Amino acid sequence: AQRVTQPEKLLSVFKGAPVELKCNYSYSGSPELFWYVQYSRQRLQLLLRHISRESIKGFTADLNKGETSFHLKKPFAQEEDSAMYYCALSGSKNAGGTSYGKLTFGQGTILTVHP
Amino acid sequence: DVKVTQSSRYLVKRTGEKVFLECVQDMDHENMFWYRQDPGLGLRLIYFSYDVKMKEKGDIPEGYSVSREKKERFSLILESASTNQTSMYLCASNPLRQMRPGANVLTFGAGSRLTVL
Repeated sequence: AQRVTQPEKLLSVFKGAPVELKCNYSYSGSPELFWYVQYSRQRLQLLLRHISRESIKGFTADLNKGETSFHLKKPFAQEEDSAMYYCALSGSKNAGGTSYGKLTFGQGTILTVHP
Repeated sequence: DVKVTQSSRYLVKRTGEKVFLECVQDMDHENMFWYRQDPGLGLRLIYFSYDVKMKEKGDIPEGYSVSREKKERFSLILESASTNQTSMYLCASNPLRQMRPGANVLTFGAGSRLTVL
């Protein structure tokens, strides 16, 4: 079974401070990890994925297989980063190896960046 | 350029009523999903479909059913709504044949907030 845990429901920081949103996962195979974000009154959307090793809006996330973690980090938080963040894992594959694209999501972390 | 459209943004229903939530996508995606989003619980998968007339149960299918008669449309049905089904319902889609790692990106609809009284 696959599982994603985000231990913090709420996270508050001040503008310009570093921020780290924690994500731990449980999966027996080789997972694909994602971070999704939902800004106020907007749709849930992809922020970044581990396979791309990219930085989006100043955010980065490194997959640590030893610690089974995929924490999201930003060195200097901005007020516009305030949102709900979900960590997600894709690990289900059918017998042919094709993924149905099912994602298992964590509980979400509400990030508030104060001015 | 809305790509996943959920027909109702807000619904209020009474206990025992039959409820239909409709979702349409215009990206020719094979996979479609219904999640419910609850504070503190995150997103939980109710049902998904990987082809017309095909469906599979997700993690919390009890009390729900689905219908996929056309590729672009995926409906969630609450046969007899109950108060514990009050929630935000999110529809999503992605292409089936994503053999590239990390290509499993979901496109979400705006959500349907259902209140059952």
